[in-house]
Amino acid sequence: GAGVSQSPRYKVAKRGQDVALRCDPISGHVSLFWYQQALGQGPEFLTYFQNEAQLDKSGLPSDRFFAERPEGSVSTLKIQRTQQEDSAVYLCASSLGVARGGTEAFFGQGTRLTVV
Amino acid sequence: GDSVTQMEGPVTLSEEAFLTINCTYTATGYPSLFWYVQYPGEGLQLLLKATKADDKGSNKGFEATYRKETTSFHLEKGSVQVSDSAVYFCALGVSQGNLIFGKGTKLSVKP
Repeated sequence: GAGVSQSPRYKVAKRGQDVALRCDPISGHVSLFWYQQALGQGPEFLTYFQNEAQLDKSGLPSDRFFAERPEGSVSTLKIQRTQQEDSAVYLCASSLGVARGGTEAFFGQGTRLTVV
Repeated sequence: GDSVTQMEGPVTLSEEAFLTINCTYTATGYPSLFWYVQYPGEGLQLLLKATKADDKGSNKGFEATYRKETTSFHLEKGSVQVSDSAVYFCALGVSQGNLIFGKGTKLSVKP
C-alpha cells in the first residue's frame, strides 16, 4: 500500500474489555514495530517483528498485551482486560529490510485508545 | 540505559525567526540519530538523520549535526515558516532498529 495503515483510528473501550488494534504495513516491509505514546510523551517501544517472528517483546508493559504477525504482513496488537492506564495512542511502524540502527521507519497515524 | 532528552516546549516563534531545538542523548556504542516531525492530524515522518559522528543531516531547510563530544543533535532552521508548525521528536536508533524518542517539542509559528 501507499503507507502504513492502522485501524481503527479511534477506540473507546470500557475498563475490562478486550481490544484488538490492526496494522497494515507497507507491502514488502520486513520489519514491523509497535509503540505506545501517552499524552504529551514521546512514543515508547513495545515490540518488534521481523517477518512473522517476534524478535523482541521487551517493551510490552504487562502480560495483558499480546502482538502477532502470523503471515509476516498484517499485525494485530491485542490488549486484554483494558485498564485506564492503557489509554494512549498506539503507533505501528514498518521498515523495508531487516532493521538496523540507522534504518528509516515509516509510521502509521496511530490508534487512539481511550479506556473509560 | 539509552535515553534522549530534548528541549521542552511549547516554542512559539514569528515567521522567519531562527529555530533551535536542543537534543542530547545517552547511549552505549554509536547510535544513529533522527529527527521526526508530526504535523497536525498526520503520522510521524522522518525529517532527517545522521548515522555517525560529525555527520550533518538536512532536509527542508532543517539541519542537525551529530556531536559525539557533547552527545548532542540539536535541530536548527534559519527561517521558519507557518507550515513548520508541528511537534518535533528527537530519537536514537538502537542496534535492532527500534527507536528511543524524546518527549517532543511543539513548535508554533505565527505569521
